[in-house]
Amino acid sequence: DAGVTQSPTHLIKTRGQHVTLRCSPISGHKSVSWYQQVLGQGPQFIFQYYEKEERGRGNFPDRFSARQFPNYSSELNVNALLLGDSALYLCASSRDSPYEQYFGPGTRLTVT
Amino acid sequence: GIQVEQSPPDLILQEGANSTLRCNFSDSVNNLQWFHQNPWGQLINLFYIPSGTKQNGRLSATTVATERYSLLYISSSQTTDSGVYFCAVEVGGNEKLTFGTGTRLTIIP
Repeated sequence: DAGVTQSPTHLIKTRGQHVTLRCSPISGHKSVSWYQQVLGQGPQFIFQYYEKEERGRGNFPDRFSARQFPNYSSELNVNALLLGDSALYLCASSRDSPYEQYFGPGTRLTVT
Repeated sequence: GIQVEQSPPDLILQEGANSTLRCNFSDSVNNLQWFHQNPWGQLINLFYIPSGTKQNGRLSATTVATERYSLLYISSSQTTDSGVYFCAVEVGGNEKLTFGTGTRLTIIP
């Protein structure tokens, strides 16, 4: 079975722009979570969605939003990009919580 | 929120050596996972171990939930074991993984 997939792999944006990152979970997994990993640190939780409903939100500004589609794939949107948004964005899927989470390869976002 | 501390922060070993990585957490958890992050950023699942002991080849892990710590053992290290090791925990009713500070392991040939 395919693992968690994310697109795009790399992305370069300019300050003030908007970005959309995409994630497809493992087949049969209904929960998707998003994490931000800044260089030299561990991943930080952004959002969790289960059955298209938001279940959890981390300490991130309202510029960050997400949604989950009927096929359980998910999008993470970031508006008004700042230099500090440069990071590796990771998506994880699981059957539910607190089951084991599996991570995708990530999207590396650079804001210039 | 829960605090997750890992030790040591850095570890440099010769190929073939054994190592023990530790993860301490400040509250009861209902999920604990160990990950290996490779140089490309991919988080690879090693163990899902909220309690007890598991083994997978040269790797094993033990979580003592009542004492709030977990240990990851790596035996006969290989250069491909290099990378950053994270433990991550989930507290009941809080739908997220909180990651530890990480241990950077470097295996020298």
